[in-house]
Amino acid sequence: EVQLVESGGGLVKPGESLRLSCAASGLTVSDAWINWVRQAPGKGLEWVGRIKSKTSGGTMGYAAPVKGRFIISRDDSENTVYLQMNSLISDDTGVYYCLTDYRDDGYWGQGTLVTVSS
Amino acid sequence: QSALTQPPSASGSPGQSVTISCTGTSSDVGRYNFVSWYQQHPGKAPKLMIYEVTKRPSRVPDRFSGSKSGITASLTVSGLQAEDEADYYCASYAGSITVFGGGTKLTVL
Repeated sequence: EVQLVESGGGLVKPGESLRLSCAASGLTVSDAWINWVRQAPGKGLEWVGRIKSKTSGGTMGYAAPVKGRFIISRDDSENTVYLQMNSLISDDTGVYYCLTDYRDDGYWGQGTLVTVSS
Repeated sequence: QSALTQPPSASGSPGQSVTISCTGTSSDVGRYNFVSWYQQHPGKAPKLMIYEVTKRPSRVPDRFSGSKSGITASLTVSGLQAEDEADYYCASYAGSITVFGGGTKLTVL
């Protein structure tokens, strides 16, 4: 069974950094496209970025609001994908999910809450 | 890249059918057959309901179906049931990025 588990959320001040983790089981992260999506309180889903599988080139893509501040990386030995978030602003507040489509189904983690506030 | 356009709300009575639209552009919905639909109940993580425009994971009831015409994708829920009441989001691959719709709140009357 595929499971994605996010961790690393918390309360940070504007301008600070935070690193989120997405630990996978039941699949090999290097074989999958892993996306990050966030949801501000009471708002809709917003795509943040992705890392492609190794066979697709392993490249990353980012949404305009986070480009240049967020970095997605992958540790194959830990079977984990990371979201490094720098220069955080209040608009980055929300629940962050990692997700993937794998073998004709889609899998989401339970989400981790990031709060950016002074 | 702008978000995909969805109606904010939709409704239907039990047993009826309802269709939710998702309008994009020639750079996303109109260009790629990689439109997905997600269902989200309050306080829960979203669930994939439809992928690649028309495909359905085996765990999803066949009451849910997807289609696309031009720059507009659609999700149809047939035989509405109380548990279908939720928020629904479309998403489209757009090359280097993915774009989501603003979401539609489906109410089962």
